[in-house]
Amino acid sequence: DGGITQSPKYLFRKEGQNVTLSCEQNLNHDAMYWYRQDPGQGLRLIYYSQIVNDFQKGDIAEGYSVSREKKESFPLTVTSAQKNPTAFYLCASWGIGTEDSYEQYFGPGTRLTVT
Amino acid sequence: AQSVTQLDSHVSVSEGTPVLLRCNYSSSYSPSLFWYVQHPNKGLQLLLKYTSAATLVKGINGFEAEFKKSETSFHLTKPSAHMSDAAEYFCVVRVISNFGNEKLTFGTGTRLTIIP
Repeated sequence: DGGITQSPKYLFRKEGQNVTLSCEQNLNHDAMYWYRQDPGQGLRLIYYSQIVNDFQKGDIAEGYSVSREKKESFPLTVTSAQKNPTAFYLCASWGIGTEDSYEQYFGPGTRLTVT
Repeated sequence: AQSVTQLDSHVSVSEGTPVLLRCNYSSSYSPSLFWYVQHPNKGLQLLLKYTSAATLVKGINGFEAEFKKSETSFHLTKPSAHMSDAAEYFCVVRVISNFGNEKLTFGTGTRLTIIP
């Protein structure tokens, strides 16, 4: 089955440590995205990549970094510079879905807790 | 600029009664509109989408939505609520400008509670 996998589902880190969240897709989609979700705020775009070796900042990129060395993979690093890293992180891709129109596909998410 | 407003942060309905989740959008260009559902600690699942074809869109699990350009609305409805519908619902607008820039904007979500 095609889809997006994110690991781990739950992640705990101490303040001051960098942490990398994994995102892999086997949908053959060019575009991939990282969102952050906080209660009552919906989803906010962190970074996105429309093609391998290229990525763009979203609305809240400060304190985060990404890479896109392979089409299938788009890891997100939460650095110690991110002031409020505790959140639910969702990876997504964009491609052709049902009825031959584009739609966004989401992974199951990673809940990061930093103490 | 584009935006999407979900008019209710929380909706409660009794099982078996109709569901209405409201969404208004603003966009300078012709939008594509989506509704996604999210169950606790899960990713988002597409319920339905409008992409300039039929204005009444049918989705999964008995949900449907009607695109009303004159009212800039895309409200989500279901005739009879089921306990399994309890979740968070997001309205999303996607716009591609004349310059080819693409932007996806999410609403803040509506939490649907079903009363037994």
